[in-house]
Amino acid sequence: KNQVEQSPQSLIILEGKNCTLQCNYTVSPFSNLRWYKQDTGRGPVSLTIMTFSENTKSNGRYTATLDADTKQSSLHITASQLSDSASYICVVSDRGSTLGRLYFGRGTQLTVWP
Amino acid sequence: EADIYQTPRYLVIGTGKKITLECSQTMGHDKMYWYQQDPGMELHLIHYSYGVNSTEKGDLSSESTVSRIRTEHFPLTLESARPSHTSQYLCASSDNRGSGANVLTFGAGSRLTVL
Repeated sequence: KNQVEQSPQSLIILEGKNCTLQCNYTVSPFSNLRWYKQDTGRGPVSLTIMTFSENTKSNGRYTATLDADTKQSSLHITASQLSDSASYICVVSDRGSTLGRLYFGRGTQLTVWP
Repeated sequence: EADIYQTPRYLVIGTGKKITLECSQTMGHDKMYWYQQDPGMELHLIHYSYGVNSTEKGDLSSESTVSRIRTEHFPLTLESARPSHTSQYLCASSDNRGSGANVLTFGAGSRLTVL
């Protein structure tokens, strides 16, 4: 069964600290992996998208890594800010059809305290 | 500014009422989607469309229906709402051109509560 598992489920850090969120997947075949940020009461917003051949991609203070061999990805947030408080969702797309079906994780709820 | 809009943002209605959640996008995207999201759970695809007059059911069975008469408009309708329909409904769109293939742009969501 194709699945996307994220850890931790929730995380609290102090402003200015770094953190790393994890995503493990069993989706096969694999096309790409995306990280989305979802603020409370809003829709998800894309942070990064990585294909099979990419193992790291940055977007400002966000850096995503991908190990396609172990089927693991991480999202590292540097020098956290209060506005980073949100749910971070890992999404994996397969190549099984022209639809490029998407598999969603349940997200990691990050809270940044002042 | 190109974007995707959902209305209403919040809706509280009684059981048995008919409701329509509106979704419009100004990006000219061919593909549009409706997802259902409950707190702490993953998004579930309930409907999608590849273009005008194209609609398909998603992975999660839903009693709602959709229509795609215009490229920019993808409304979702519940003929008779029940408490089990209480959820967050997210509309999204994407195109399949260039490096941004199938990257979803989401609306802000419609939070439905059925009493």
